[in-house]
Amino acid sequence: SQKIEQNSEALNIQEGKTATLTCNYTNYSPAYLQWYRQDPGRGPVFLLLIRENEKEKRKERLKVTFDTTLKQSLFHITASQPADSATYLCALQPYGNNRLAFGKGNQVVVIP
Amino acid sequence: IAGITQAPTSQILAAGRRMTLRCTQDMRHNAMYWYRQDLGLGLRLIHYSNTAGTTGKGEVPDGYSVSRANTDDFPLTLASAVPSQTSVYFCASSDSASGSPETQYFGPGTRLLVL
Repeated sequence: SQKIEQNSEALNIQEGKTATLTCNYTNYSPAYLQWYRQDPGRGPVFLLLIRENEKEKRKERLKVTFDTTLKQSLFHITASQPADSATYLCALQPYGNNRLAFGKGNQVVVIP
Repeated sequence: IAGITQAPTSQILAAGRRMTLRCTQDMRHNAMYWYRQDLGLGLRLIHYSNTAGTTGKGEVPDGYSVSRANTDDFPLTLASAVPSQTSVYFCASSDSASGSPETQYFGPGTRLLVL
């Protein structure tokens, strides 16, 4: 069966350090992989998208990697700040349609 | 620009009652989606619409129906609510129905409690 796995345990990290989150998937062949941020009581907000043929994407302090051999994406927040505290969701989009399959999310807590 | 609005913000509903959750977007996006989000289960797609006049079933469609009479509105109806439909419901939209990498824009959610 298809699975998208994100760590269910919250990541507690000291301010200024790099937070790294993992998204593993099985039985998917995604064309695109997206990362979203969700704050408590709010809807998800898009952060970054990476294509199947891209290895790495950056946006300001955010970096995403995509390894289709390992079936894994890594999401990095460098120089983390308390304002980065949120839940981060990965989402896979297959070829040929626009419907996303979401992971359950991974909470990040940045400690001042 | 409001983006996506959802109504109501929250609702307590007696089991067996009919309820329509409203969703309106002002971005003229082709595609719209309804998700439910439950603790430990993440976001699951209920129904979607690639364009006005068409709808499709997602991962968990049972007990829900949708319509897409125009581009802007995508209401979700629970014909006879059951306690297992207690959840947070998110509406989303995207500017593509063709499989290109368009991102989804989410509304603020409706928190529904069915007793």
